[in-house]
Amino acid sequence: DSGVTQTPKHLITATGQRVTLRCSPRSGDLSVYWYQQSLDQGLQFLIQYYNGEERAKGNILERFSAQQFPDLHSELNLSSLELGDSALYFCASSGPRDSPHGYTFGSGTRLTVV
Amino acid sequence: DQQVKQNSPSLSVQEGRISILNCDYTNSMFDYFLWYKKYPAEGPTFLISISSIKDKNEDGRFTVFLNKSAKHLSLHIVPSQPGDSAVYFCAAMLMDSNYQLIWGAGTKLIIKP
Repeated sequence: DSGVTQTPKHLITATGQRVTLRCSPRSGDLSVYWYQQSLDQGLQFLIQYYNGEERAKGNILERFSAQQFPDLHSELNLSSLELGDSALYFCASSGPRDSPHGYTFGSGTRLTVV
Repeated sequence: DQQVKQNSPSLSVQEGRISILNCDYTNSMFDYFLWYKKYPAEGPTFLISISSIKDKNEDGRFTVFLNKSAKHLSLHIVPSQPGDSAVYFCAAMLMDSNYQLIWGAGTKLIIKP
C-alpha cells in the first residue's frame, strides 16, 4: 500500500457520460498530480494541485476538470466521454521532503468507455 | 519537444546478467533524475534517483550513472532477476517548477529465465 488511494479501481461507462475519479493523497502530502496512461503508452501529465489550488496544467482536455478539496483529496471529472478516453488514470502525491524521490502513485483507475 | 527520451521501447536480458536501460535529456537545468518501475495495472513505484551534482548513485542491485556532458543517464541492474521484468520510466525534475517531473516514454524490460 503506497498510501495514495484511488477509487474506483475499475469503471465502465458509455460514450457521452460523465465520471468522477477520486484520489486521497498520502497523509501530509499537499501536492496531487493526475496522469493518464493509454494502451501501454507513456504517462501523460494532466494537472497538478497544491493545497487546494491549481499549480500546473499539462495535456488536459477541456472536457476534463479537477479540483482539490480542503481535506486535500482530489477529484478528476471526465465528461462527454469518448472511446479514446479509455485509459488508466493515475493519481500521485508528493511533499517537500520527497524532492529526490518524486511522487508516490496510487494503483490507478481503469476507465473503459464503450 | 521531448525533453526526456528513452529510445529503446523494449529490452530482453538473460536472468543473472546485467540490464542497462538508457535515457537521454535535453535540458541541462534538471536538478534530479529518477527511475520508476511499473508493473501492468499498477502505479509506477520509485526505484532510484540521482542529483545532477553526482555522477553515480547505488542502491543494492541498482546503480544509476549520470553523464552530464552527454546529457545521458543509465540504470544498471545486476544481477537481473525475473521480478525485474517491468516497464522502467526515466524522469527528470526541475525543483523550481513545482517539482514537475518530465517523463520518458518507458522501456519494457523482459528478463528471460
